[in-house]
Amino acid sequence: QSVLTQPPSASGTPGQTVTISCSGSNSNIGTNYVYWYQQLPGTAPKLLIYISNLPSSGVPDRISGSKSGTSASLAISGLRSEDEADYYCATWDDSLSLWVFGGGTKLTVL
Amino acid sequence: EVQLLESGGALVQPGGSLRLSCAASGFSFTNYAMRWVRQAPGKGLEWVSTISATGDRTRYADAVKGRFTISRDNSKNTLYLQMSSLGAEDAAVYYCAKHKYYYLSSGSDHWGQGTLVTVSS
Repeated sequence: QSVLTQPPSASGTPGQTVTISCSGSNSNIGTNYVYWYQQLPGTAPKLLIYISNLPSSGVPDRISGSKSGTSASLAISGLRSEDEADYYCATWDDSLSLWVFGGGTKLTVL
Repeated sequence: EVQLLESGGALVQPGGSLRLSCAASGFSFTNYAMRWVRQAPGKGLEWVSTISATGDRTRYADAVKGRFTISRDNSKNTLYLQMSSLGAEDAAVYYCAKHKYYYLSSGSDHWGQGTLVTVSS
């Protein structure tokens, strides 16, 4: 059971916008920055978004992050086949004093 | 260019020990905290351990506390993970990752390619 809750799966057709949610609590998302990672099959995770809404270098501007209260979201617009991957949110938890990941969301491009 | 190269993954018997290494280059290693993250086959990412830039502060996931020890040698730009009393639940790809900022609560911005640990008799 992950401290951060993500939907296990999401899907969309090319060109659509998909949003992946990440739900936490006051001790984690509520008070700390959120990071989002993309993991393509068989590869290491890659940083997409840091400090909740800043895109990492090289990340296209059709990928964005946001945070409100104890939840965060990753939005991917103009969906492309190469976006098919697993996506993870992560943040620090003040109560646990450790780093926590969401369970991951598998994005399928139909 | 930041590079993180893990090594040391192997097949080990239950109850055995293993030391993973992560050679870092392309950045000032002494200025950044580092962490280990693992991923069991078909599962999600699981944070394992974090160490401060100077090595004086460490954190461990409950699942590995008392069995794993994270350390670093800043003179060699290398991060380590000493693992003991290994069980089937420890079988995973282990990634080392560089923190984006110096503090322990920062996320990671660069990851190694991972090293596979298999636990089986």
